[in-house]
Formats: sequence, structure tokens, C-alpha cells
Amino acid sequence: DQQVKQNSPSLSVQEGRISILNCDYTNSMFDYFLWYKKYPAEGPTFLISISSIKDKNEDGRFTVFLNKSAKHLSLHIVPSQPGDSAVYFCAARVGGGSNYKLTFGKGTLLTVNP
Amino acid sequence: EAQVTQNPRYLITVTGKKLTVTCSQNMNHEYMSWYRQDPGLGLRQIYYSMNVEVTDKGDVPEGYKVSRKEKRNFPLILESPSPNQTSLYFCASSSSLAGANNEQFFGPGTRLTVL
Repeated sequence: DQQVKQNSPSLSVQEGRISILNCDYTNSMFDYFLWYKKYPAEGPTFLISISSIKDKNEDGRFTVFLNKSAKHLSLHIVPSQPGDSAVYFCAARVGGGSNYKLTFGKGTLLTVNP
Repeated sequence: EAQVTQNPRYLITVTGKKLTVTCSQNMNHEYMSWYRQDPGLGLRQIYYSMNVEVTDKGDVPEGYKVSRKEKRNFPLILESPSPNQTSLYFCASSSSLAGANNEQFFGPGTRLTVL
């Protein structure tokens, strides 16, 4: 059962436009959501996160929106740059005390065309 | 430099030949984890460790072993590798998954091919 879903395997946008990457989840116990970016031949790197008690978190060109009622989050990149071309993973945290677990989606390949 | 290192980066082996992929972090992190990345399947967790001598199964633990004898190291052991374990493996660490600072730092990956 896939608890974190990224239904778009790929997305292509023009440089300067907005990129919107989507993520849906099924487990209402997730309390933190994270986005990671991965370039070829490198490990994923943390991009931005959001707590389940918030609906928006912004960091420069990157904004994550959370809609808890819809169990949906999205990552907006504005403006998109060719260097943003990478695979983006959505991840969600569940747990308590000192025992937590992250579940990742399958990833979305973003291509930003010059 | 704060980092997670993995060795080897590339490995081609044959079915049944025991191998170990090492992982080390220099950030004094308590939490460490192993993932495998496969086309169309994303990142799936194999094992994780909340602290020294504490390990637990992730989503796909079959065919793997781990140990956490010291904080900085978290080796992944394949006692009898099979071709379905051909994959890209990532080690990751975090100070803790609790709280707001719960990001994980990933190693560069180990490309394993089992013939």
C-alpha cells in the first residue's frame, strides 16, 4: 500500500515559469512532510519541509503548500531555472517519542527547458 | 566537512557472494537508515537505526542485515546476494527524526549489480 503518492513521473516546464509538483498521501498520522531533490549520480538533498499544523512554508523560490483535508501537498518553484532539473521526492513522517519513520514517494522528474 | 560516506560506490558481484557496503557519518547523528532506489519504485527503506545497538526493519528488509555497533557506522550486509538486489543504495543520517530539524543527509549512493 503506497502511502505517499507522486502520480506524475515527469514534468517539463520552461525556464522562468512556475513548476508545480504534487504529492498525495493516505495516512492521516503523518505529521511532517519533506521535499528532497536528487541530481543524477548524487544522493538526495533536503529542500524544504512543512509541519502538518501549517498550510504553507516558503524558502526563496520554493514554497510548499499543504491541504490536510485533501491529504495533498504541492511544491511550487518560481521562477524555475535549468539548474532545478532533477528528481523531486516527497516524504512524510510518522511516529512518536523517539521512534519516527519517513516514507518516500516514487519521485517526479522535473525538466526545466532554457 | 559534514558528510555521509559510502563504500564502495560501484560494485559488481555474483549471486551468493557475501558483501558489505559501509556507511559512515561524521555529524554525530543518532539516526541512520538504508534505502534502495529502483526505477518506478522510488526510495524504499531497508533498515534504520535510532541509536547505537538499536536497529529496526524498514519496508523491504528481506535479504539484508545491518549492525550499529558505534554511532558513526551503519554497514549494510548482504549475506547471499541475488539479482533482485541489483539496485542503487543510499545511506542516510539525521540528528533525529523527531522535532522540526528532521531532515536526513544522504550519502552519494552505491550502485550494486548482482549477476
